[in-house]
Amino acid sequence: GENVEQHPSTLSVQEGDSAVIKCTYSDSASNYFPWYKQELGKGPQLIIDIRSNVGEKKDQRIAVTLNKTAKHFSLHITETQPEDSAVYFCAARGGTGRRALTFGSGTRLQVQP
Amino acid sequence: GAVVSQHPSWVICKSGTSVKIECRSLDFQATTMFWYRQFPKQSLMLMATSNEGSKATYEQGVEKDKFLINHASLTLSTLTVTSAHPEDSSFYICSARDQGDGYTFGSGTRLTVV
Repeated sequence: GENVEQHPSTLSVQEGDSAVIKCTYSDSASNYFPWYKQELGKGPQLIIDIRSNVGEKKDQRIAVTLNKTAKHFSLHITETQPEDSAVYFCAARGGTGRRALTFGSGTRLQVQP
Repeated sequence: GAVVSQHPSWVICKSGTSVKIECRSLDFQATTMFWYRQFPKQSLMLMATSNEGSKATYEQGVEKDKFLINHASLTLSTLTVTSAHPEDSSFYICSARDQGDGYTFGSGTRLTVV
């Protein structure tokens, strides 16, 4: 089945700096790659997603890039703010019948004011 | 956007009792729902996939007789933890495939078994 690895596990940046989180996946047939933000005691909230027919997607301060050949995708947050502090999860959906998302291990982002 | 309502948000139960968690899609029909479990400071682990009108598909290592899933309508899936024990204490989260081919998550249920 699909295996998703995520790095780093923790990331501390100064307010205004950029943050980058990287994920790799194992199933070359995977076709959907969302990123979620999870705050303590809450469910994951979708912040951006990308499909396998697109290489890059941007939404204001957040962007995601996908390299299908290398089977990795990355989340980029620019001009970080203290409210960006949370746990971020990448996920991938396999392309062969299995429709559930497989999650990475998570990255705890701390934005220092 | 799509909204998934999950209840209760937290529950404390005695060891040996059963607990039911509900997950409702409020403004769309969800033919497929997913149930995840998340231990502290860990990732979401898929427990089972629930399809409306059919039996759930459980992941390897998840006891189907302990975690009963019912998806009797297009807007409601339930997870019942039977004969709960302290090791079942966790954060349970449901998710539904929405109309945009994305996934909407519930707010989670914190289960504590004492």
